[in-house]
Amino acid sequence: DVKVTQSSRYLVKRTGEKVFLECVQDMDHENMFWYRQDPGLGLRLIYFSYDVKMKEKGDIPEGYSVSREKKERFSLILESASTNQTSMYLCASSPRVALDQPQHFGDGTRLSIL
Amino acid sequence: SQKIEQNSEALNIQEGKTATLTCNYTNYSPAYLQWYRQDPGRGPVFLLLIRENEKEKRKERLKVTFDTTLKQSLFHITASQPADSATYLCALARGRGNNRLAFGKGNQVVVIP
Repeated sequence: DVKVTQSSRYLVKRTGEKVFLECVQDMDHENMFWYRQDPGLGLRLIYFSYDVKMKEKGDIPEGYSVSREKKERFSLILESASTNQTSMYLCASSPRVALDQPQHFGDGTRLSIL
Repeated sequence: SQKIEQNSEALNIQEGKTATLTCNYTNYSPAYLQWYRQDPGRGPVFLLLIRENEKEKRKERLKVTFDTTLKQSLFHITASQPADSATYLCALARGRGNNRLAFGKGNQVVVIP
């Protein structure tokens, strides 16, 4: 079974801090994704990576950056955390072998910015 | 603008009955559509995929239909059980050349024993 592991289930940070969220997958998937999920807004794509060192902006990239130095690891960085970035953050991965492959999700990091 | 619509009201259903959820979309031409299940505090889990040239797909007690003319997918859980209580998300392929998905907001199902 594919396992996508997010480093923290819960995280509390202060406004202005630089925050790192880590995600690791163990299935050699090329594609990795970062989403945030908010009540009433659903899942929104922040960034997407289809290969090491490659990244593409999603729907809401402002205030975020990403890093993919190794195939299995995809990091989301909040450059200067703000209260409106309090949310559930979900990482996912999928293989590139075919376009219709399902995404495999981690269990999320619930991030609170105070 | 592009939209994916799922019913925001929870579906309460008696155990043993069939639950039917709807996913409507506008301004997409998806090559495929996927359904996911999400439990509270967990990430979504993939359930089923249906391609644009398929009318219906089944997996155990789950059935999905896809009508590209109506721009609609229906998701059925037959002989529902309390363990089926969860939120169900539909997801569409955003384009023809990548595997980025656009997700609906989800529809909660509560199966009453």
